[in-house]
Amino acid sequence: GEDVEQSLFLSVREGDSSVINCTYTDSSSTYLYWYKQEPGAGLQLLTYIFSNMDMKQDQRLTVLLNKKDKHLSLRIADTQTGDSAIYFCAEGSSGNTPLVFGKGTRLSVIA
Amino acid sequence: GAVVSQHPSWVICKSGTSVKIECRSLDFQATTMFWYRQFPKQSLMLMATSNEGSKATYEQGVEKDKFLINHASLTLSTLTVTSAHPEDSSFYICSAREMGMNTEAFFGQGTRLTVV
Repeated sequence: GEDVEQSLFLSVREGDSSVINCTYTDSSSTYLYWYKQEPGAGLQLLTYIFSNMDMKQDQRLTVLLNKKDKHLSLRIADTQTGDSAIYFCAEGSSGNTPLVFGKGTRLSVIA
Repeated sequence: GAVVSQHPSWVICKSGTSVKIECRSLDFQATTMFWYRQFPKQSLMLMATSNEGSKATYEQGVEKDKFLINHASLTLSTLTVTSAHPEDSSFYICSAREMGMNTEAFFGQGTRLTVV
């Protein structure tokens, strides 16, 4: 079945850039997503990228997609303490199927 | 953007009682909603896919008689945890994707269930 893998932990200093990586296996994925989860809260969509794109930028967030290698990354520029959270990578195809999530990367920002 | 509202945000119940969690899509219609369970510091585990007007599809290992799902309308799905036990204590999250659209899934705020 489909699988999404991501590293579990990342620690960066405030002001540095953070790069969270993700790999997936389903070549039929149409969209790839990044969600953020703060403690005790639901998931907040940060950004997503269509599979025929290789880059998307949205303010401090840059998503890079290497479809050949099935590799997705999220770069957060000028990381702030408020960015500390768990970041989930997810892939999806048709609208009636659930997204497949990675295990989440816990980002810790050190002041 | 589209909003999914989940209620209640948290609930404490006694062992043996049942708890109902509601998931509503507020400004779009969803023929399909998804229920997830999340243990502390772990990822989301898909429990079941809720289909409007038909039976839910449960993932392997999820007891359908334990976790009753009803999707009575295009904007509402409910999850009832029956005869709750302390091991059912968890964070339950629903999500929905807009009918006919291949777009992102929107998530509810989650429900923290504690069974004492």
